[in-house]
Amino acid sequence: GQQVMQIPQYQHVQEGEDFTTYCNSSTTLSNIQWYKQRPGGHPVFLIQLVKSGEVKKQKRLTFQFGEAKKNSSLHITATQTTDVGTYFCAASPGANNLFFGTGTRLTVIP
Amino acid sequence: DSGVTQTPKHLITATGQRVTLRCSPRSGDLSVYWYQQSLDQGLQFLIQYYNGEERAKGNILERFSAQQFPDLHSELNLSSLELGDSALYFCASSVQAGGPQETQYFGPGTRLLVL
Repeated sequence: GQQVMQIPQYQHVQEGEDFTTYCNSSTTLSNIQWYKQRPGGHPVFLIQLVKSGEVKKQKRLTFQFGEAKKNSSLHITATQTTDVGTYFCAASPGANNLFFGTGTRLTVIP
Repeated sequence: DSGVTQTPKHLITATGQRVTLRCSPRSGDLSVYWYQQSLDQGLQFLIQYYNGEERAKGNILERFSAQQFPDLHSELNLSSLELGDSALYFCASSVQAGGPQETQYFGPGTRLLVL
C-alpha cells in the first residue's frame, strides 16, 4: 500500500537549536499536510502544501514541498520548549483518505 | 478545542469484551474518520464515513465495526477485545468527503485499556 515515511523517528535537541523532520513518498503526492500532536493531546493541523517547490513559513516554522512532490520537510528555527511534541506529515498519494507518516517525536531540553 | 467531541475519555475493560466509542463531528462536517494510535506508534487509519455511508476503509480488523448515524455522529464498536487493542482511538472530521486537500479536525481521543 501507499506509505509515507518520516525521519527521524525521534529527535532530542537543546533549546535554541534547530530541528528538521523529513517526509518521503515513493509516489508523487497531490499535496501534503503537517500536523502537530502535543504530549497527551490530539493532532492539530498546521499547514498544507500543494505546489511543487512550495515554501511556507509560520513564525519559526518553515515548510517545504519538493520539486518532484515526493518529499517535504518541516524546519524549526531556535526551538523552544513549547515545540515539544510529535510532528506528522500526511498525504493522499492518489487515494481519497490521508495517510499519516510515522511521525517525529521532538524533545527539547531546556 | 477542535469542536470534535469523543466519549468516553477513558475506558478500561477486560479481554473478550465489547465496547463502543462515540464521536460527534464539528458542526457542519459530513465526514468522520477513525484512527488508532498505539504507544509510540503513528496514526493508523481505520475507516471513514461520509454523510452516513462508508467512504474508505483502512487497516480495520473484522472485530471492529463502525457506523455514522443520520445526525452525523459516529460510533466505533470493538468486540472480542484483545490486549493488543489497548490504544488511543481518535475520531476526526472534515467538511466534505475527504479529498486530498481537506483538513481533518481531531477529537481529544478515547484511551482504551484492555486488561
